[in-house]
Amino acid sequence: GQQVMQIPQYQHVQEGEDFTTYCNSSTTLSNIQWYKQRPGGHPVFLIQLVKSGEVKKQKRLTFQFGEAKKNSSLHITATQTTDVGTYFCAGRESGTYKYIFGTGTRLKVLA
Amino acid sequence: NAGVTQTPKFRILKIGQSMTLQCTQDMNHNYMYWYRQDPGMGLKLIYYSVGAGITDKGEVPNGYNVSRSTTEDFPLRLELAAPSQTSVYFCASSRLGSPADTIYFGEGSWLTVV
Repeated sequence: GQQVMQIPQYQHVQEGEDFTTYCNSSTTLSNIQWYKQRPGGHPVFLIQLVKSGEVKKQKRLTFQFGEAKKNSSLHITATQTTDVGTYFCAGRESGTYKYIFGTGTRLKVLA
Repeated sequence: NAGVTQTPKFRILKIGQSMTLQCTQDMNHNYMYWYRQDPGMGLKLIYYSVGAGITDKGEVPNGYNVSRSTTEDFPLRLELAAPSQTSVYFCASSRLGSPADTIYFGEGSWLTVV
């Protein structure tokens, strides 16, 4: 079945440093989504990418979807303490209606 | 709008007991999902539904059952609870293509099996 892996599993950065998490799917995706989960909370939708090679920006966050539609990345510029949490990608396999979540990257920002 | 509402928020079960986690959404979404999240881990899809009367298995369906008699409700049934089912359960819903397939999550149900 479809598998979605993320690296790294954990990342500790100093406030102001950049952060990147990578997402890789075993199958081609219809689209990729990114979610943020604060400690003790539920996942909250950040963005969706649909087109091959698509790049989207939200303030300090940059999202990319790979040309083959099997990988994606989230880059945060100049991290802040409010960026703390776990970032998940979620992919919908072509021809299905189910979203499989990646393993997540837990970000800790040191002030 | 209330969004996605799950009950109960916390529950302790004994091994072998059964229970139902309730989930309802008021956004008229056709797609609904149940995920489980073990401590420090990612979300695993248990079951999903694309509309009333239609359900399908996800990644980890064993030990669970679902039904979807209405658009709003998607209860998850645990039969013969086992310690391996200790987890946080999230119900979620979405309407594909509206303009994004945003998945809205409930606040979670913390379940402990002892």
